[in-house]
Amino acid sequence: EAGVAQSPRYKIIEKRQSVAFWCNPISGHATLYWYQQILGQGPKLLIQFQNNGVVDDSQLPKDRFSAERLKGVDSTLKIQPAKLEDSAVYLCASSLGGSISYEQYFGPGTRLTVT
Amino acid sequence: AQSVTQPDIHITVSEGASLELRCNYSYGATPYLFWYVQSPGQGLQLLLKYFSGDTLVQGIKGFEAEFKRSQSSFNLRKPSVHWSDAAEYFCAASLGAAGNKLTFGGGTRVLVKP
Repeated sequence: EAGVAQSPRYKIIEKRQSVAFWCNPISGHATLYWYQQILGQGPKLLIQFQNNGVVDDSQLPKDRFSAERLKGVDSTLKIQPAKLEDSAVYLCASSLGGSISYEQYFGPGTRLTVT
Repeated sequence: AQSVTQPDIHITVSEGASLELRCNYSYGATPYLFWYVQSPGQGLQLLLKYFSGDTLVQGIKGFEAEFKRSQSSFNLRKPSVHWSDAAEYFCAASLGAAGNKLTFGGGTRVLVKP
Protein backbone atom coordinates (compact mmCIF):
# COMPACT_ATOMS: atom_id res chain seq x y z
CA GLU A 1 0.00 0.00 0.00
CA ALA A 2 1.22 3.50 -0.77
CA GLY A 3 2.48 5.56 2.15
CA VAL A 4 1.89 9.17 3.06
CA ALA A 5 3.04 11.44 0.25
CA GLN A 6 4.34 14.96 0.75
CA SER A 7 5.54 17.65 -1.61
CA PRO A 8 7.74 19.45 -2.14
CA ARG A 9 10.54 17.65 -0.32
CA TYR A 10 12.64 20.80 -0.01
CA LYS A 11 11.83 24.49 -0.13
CA ILE A 12 13.96 27.59 0.35
CA ILE A 13 12.26 30.96 0.68
CA GLU A 14 13.07 34.40 2.01
CA LYS A 15 11.47 35.73 5.16
CA ARG A 16 8.11 37.40 4.65
CA GLN A 17 7.38 35.20 1.63
CA SER A 18 4.60 32.64 1.64
CA VAL A 19 4.86 28.88 1.16
CA ALA A 20 2.51 25.91 0.94
CA PHE A 21 3.01 22.23 1.61
CA TRP A 22 0.86 19.40 0.34
CA CYS A 23 0.04 16.05 1.92
CA ASN A 24 -1.75 13.02 0.53
CA PRO A 25 -2.55 10.54 3.32
CA ILE A 26 -2.89 6.79 3.06
CA SER A 27 -6.15 5.88 1.35
CA GLY A 28 -8.98 5.42 3.80
CA HIS A 29 -7.27 7.20 6.68
CA ALA A 30 -9.72 9.56 8.32
CA THR A 31 -7.26 11.34 10.58
CA LEU A 32 -4.47 13.59 9.34
CA TYR A 33 -1.78 15.37 11.36
CA TRP A 34 0.74 18.11 10.62
CA TYR A 35 3.86 18.24 12.80
CA GLN A 36 6.71 20.76 12.90
CA GLN A 37 10.17 19.35 13.62
CA ILE A 38 12.81 21.98 14.35
CA LEU A 39 16.41 20.81 14.02
CA GLY A 40 17.51 19.02 17.19
CA GLN A 41 13.98 18.68 18.56
CA GLY A 42 11.18 16.16 18.42
CA PRO A 43 8.12 16.74 16.27
CA LYS A 44 5.45 19.07 17.63
CA LEU A 45 1.83 18.70 16.60
CA LEU A 46 0.51 21.74 14.75
CA ILE A 47 -2.94 20.57 13.73
CA GLN A 48 -5.05 17.42 13.58
CA PHE A 49 -7.98 16.78 11.24
CA GLN A 50 -10.68 14.17 11.56
CA ASN A 51 -12.06 13.88 8.02
CA ASN A 52 -12.29 17.56 7.07
CA GLY A 53 -12.89 18.91 10.57
CA VAL A 54 -10.25 20.27 12.94
CA VAL A 55 -9.77 18.27 16.15
CA ASP A 56 -6.81 20.11 17.65
CA ASP A 57 -5.04 23.25 16.46
CA SER A 58 -3.96 24.55 19.83
CA GLN A 59 -0.28 24.81 18.84
CA LEU A 60 -0.81 26.27 15.39
CA PRO A 61 0.41 29.90 15.13
CA LYS A 62 -2.81 31.09 13.57
CA ASP A 63 -1.54 34.57 12.76
CA ARG A 64 0.67 33.09 10.04
CA PHE A 65 -0.12 29.40 9.64
CA SER A 66 -3.25 27.96 8.09
CA ALA A 67 -4.27 24.47 7.05
CA GLU A 68 -7.16 22.90 5.27
CA ARG A 69 -8.32 19.45 4.35
CA LEU A 70 -10.86 19.73 1.62
CA LYS A 71 -13.08 16.70 1.00
CA GLY A 72 -11.39 14.91 3.89
CA VAL A 73 -8.47 13.60 1.83
CA ASP A 74 -5.52 15.79 0.80
CA SER A 75 -4.33 18.60 3.01
CA THR A 76 -2.41 21.83 2.54
CA LEU A 77 -0.41 23.70 5.18
CA LYS A 78 0.40 27.33 4.44
CA ILE A 79 2.73 29.83 6.06
CA GLN A 80 2.24 33.52 5.29
CA PRO A 81 4.42 35.43 5.96
CA ALA A 82 7.33 33.15 6.86
CA LYS A 83 9.79 33.96 9.62
CA LEU A 84 13.32 32.70 10.16
CA GLU A 85 12.15 30.55 13.06
CA ASP A 86 9.81 28.64 10.74
CA SER A 87 12.83 26.80 9.31
CA ALA A 88 12.02 23.17 10.10
CA VAL A 89 10.85 19.88 8.66
CA TYR A 90 7.09 19.69 8.30
CA LEU A 91 5.81 16.17 8.72
CA CYS A 92 2.41 14.90 7.70
CA ALA A 93 0.97 11.75 9.26
CA SER A 94 -2.26 9.86 8.91
CA SER A 95 -4.14 7.16 10.80
CA LEU A 96 -7.32 5.18 10.35
CA GLY A 97 -8.97 7.07 13.17
CA GLY A 98 -8.33 9.44 16.02
CA SER A 99 -8.16 6.79 18.72
CA ILE A 100 -4.82 6.05 20.39
CA SER A 101 -5.10 2.45 19.20
CA TYR A 102 -4.55 3.53 15.58
CA GLU A 103 -0.94 3.85 14.47
CA GLN A 104 0.18 7.12 12.93
CA TYR A 105 2.02 6.70 9.62
CA PHE A 106 4.43 9.48 8.73
CA GLY A 107 5.43 10.93 5.40
CA PRO A 108 9.05 11.83 4.52
CA GLY A 109 8.51 15.50 5.37
CA THR A 110 9.17 18.84 3.69
CA ARG A 111 12.34 20.61 4.74
CA LEU A 112 11.78 24.37 4.80
CA THR A 113 14.65 26.84 4.97
CA VAL A 114 13.78 30.49 5.53
CA THR A 115 16.61 32.93 4.76
CA ALA B 1 3.31 20.43 32.22
CA GLN B 2 3.34 17.13 30.38
CA SER B 3 6.74 16.32 28.95
CA VAL B 4 8.96 13.59 27.58
CA THR B 5 12.69 13.72 28.16
CA GLN B 6 15.45 11.83 26.40
CA PRO B 7 18.61 12.61 28.39
CA ASP B 8 21.08 11.44 25.77
CA ILE B 9 21.41 13.54 22.63
CA HIS B 10 23.99 11.30 20.98
CA ILE B 11 25.08 7.71 21.61
CA THR B 12 27.87 5.89 19.80
CA VAL B 13 27.89 2.12 19.92
CA SER B 14 29.99 -0.54 18.22
CA GLU B 15 28.33 -2.92 15.83
CA GLY B 16 27.30 -6.04 17.71
CA ALA B 17 27.21 -4.30 21.07
CA SER B 18 24.06 -3.74 23.09
CA LEU B 19 22.14 -0.47 23.02
CA GLU B 20 19.94 1.21 25.60
CA LEU B 21 18.17 4.52 25.03
CA ARG B 22 16.61 6.32 27.97
CA CYS B 23 13.21 7.97 28.11
CA ASN B 24 11.48 9.63 31.06
CA TYR B 25 8.02 11.11 31.13
CA SER B 26 6.27 13.60 33.34
CA TYR B 27 2.50 13.23 33.33
CA GLY B 28 -0.21 13.32 35.97
CA ALA B 29 -1.32 9.85 34.95
CA THR B 30 0.47 7.00 33.20
CA PRO B 31 0.44 7.83 29.50
CA TYR B 32 0.52 5.55 26.52
CA LEU B 33 4.16 5.27 25.42
CA PHE B 34 5.83 4.86 22.05
CA TRP B 35 9.23 4.59 20.43
CA TYR B 36 9.79 5.78 16.86
CA VAL B 37 12.85 5.62 14.61
CA GLN B 38 13.71 8.20 11.96
CA SER B 39 16.27 7.35 9.31
CA PRO B 40 17.81 10.16 7.24
CA GLY B 41 15.36 11.59 4.73
CA GLN B 42 12.55 9.35 5.91
CA GLY B 43 9.53 9.73 8.07
CA LEU B 44 9.13 8.29 11.54
CA GLN B 45 8.44 4.59 11.88
CA LEU B 46 6.82 3.06 14.95
CA LEU B 47 9.07 0.52 16.72
CA LEU B 48 6.82 -0.42 19.60
CA LYS B 49 4.19 0.87 22.00
CA TYR B 50 3.02 0.30 25.55
CA PHE B 51 -0.61 0.65 26.56
CA SER B 52 -0.95 -1.65 29.58
CA GLY B 53 -0.16 -5.15 30.80
CA ASP B 54 3.26 -6.75 30.49
CA THR B 55 5.86 -4.09 31.17
CA LEU B 56 8.37 -5.60 28.73
CA VAL B 57 7.26 -4.83 25.18
CA GLN B 58 8.63 -6.41 22.03
CA GLY B 59 8.83 -4.42 18.84
CA ILE B 60 10.08 -4.62 15.29
CA LYS B 61 13.73 -4.89 14.20
CA GLY B 62 14.71 -6.73 17.38
CA PHE B 63 13.94 -3.84 19.74
CA GLU B 64 12.29 -4.10 23.14
CA ALA B 65 11.33 -1.57 25.80
CA GLU B 66 10.63 -1.80 29.48
CA PHE B 67 8.07 0.34 31.29
CA LYS B 68 8.94 1.19 34.89
CA ARG B 69 6.19 3.12 36.65
CA SER B 70 8.31 3.80 39.75
CA GLN B 71 10.94 5.54 37.63
CA SER B 72 8.56 7.11 35.08
CA SER B 73 10.74 5.53 32.42
CA PHE B 74 10.33 3.64 29.18
CA ASN B 75 13.82 2.66 28.01
CA LEU B 76 14.50 1.10 24.63
CA ARG B 77 16.99 -1.75 24.23
CA LYS B 78 18.54 -3.91 21.57
CA PRO B 79 20.90 -6.77 22.44
CA SER B 80 23.09 -6.55 19.33
CA VAL B 81 23.21 -3.46 17.13
CA HIS B 82 23.55 -3.60 13.34
CA TRP B 83 25.00 -0.81 11.20
CA SER B 84 21.50 -0.21 9.80
CA ASP B 85 20.31 0.82 13.27
CA ALA B 86 22.11 4.14 12.91
CA ALA B 87 19.27 6.66 13.05
CA GLU B 88 17.48 9.04 15.36
CA TYR B 89 15.15 7.59 17.95
CA PHE B 90 12.20 9.37 19.51
CA CYS B 91 10.21 8.50 22.58
CA ALA B 92 6.62 9.79 22.62
CA ALA B 93 3.65 9.77 24.94
CA SER B 94 -0.06 10.36 24.80
CA LEU B 95 -2.85 10.44 27.33
CA GLY B 96 -5.13 8.96 24.71
CA ALA B 97 -7.68 11.69 25.06
CA ALA B 98 -9.70 12.80 22.07
CA GLY B 99 -7.22 13.78 19.41
CA ASN B 100 -4.55 11.14 20.03
CA LYS B 101 -1.98 13.91 20.49
CA LEU B 102 1.60 12.66 20.71
CA THR B 103 4.22 14.54 22.73
CA PHE B 104 7.74 13.70 21.58
CA GLY B 105 11.05 13.80 23.37
CA GLY B 106 13.99 15.60 21.82
CA GLY B 107 15.44 12.47 20.27
CA THR B 108 18.66 10.46 20.58
CA ARG B 109 20.94 10.11 17.59
CA VAL B 110 22.63 6.71 17.43
CA LEU B 111 25.91 6.27 15.60
CA VAL B 112 27.18 2.75 14.93
CA LYS B 113 30.92 2.11 14.69
CA PRO B 114 32.10 -0.78 12.54
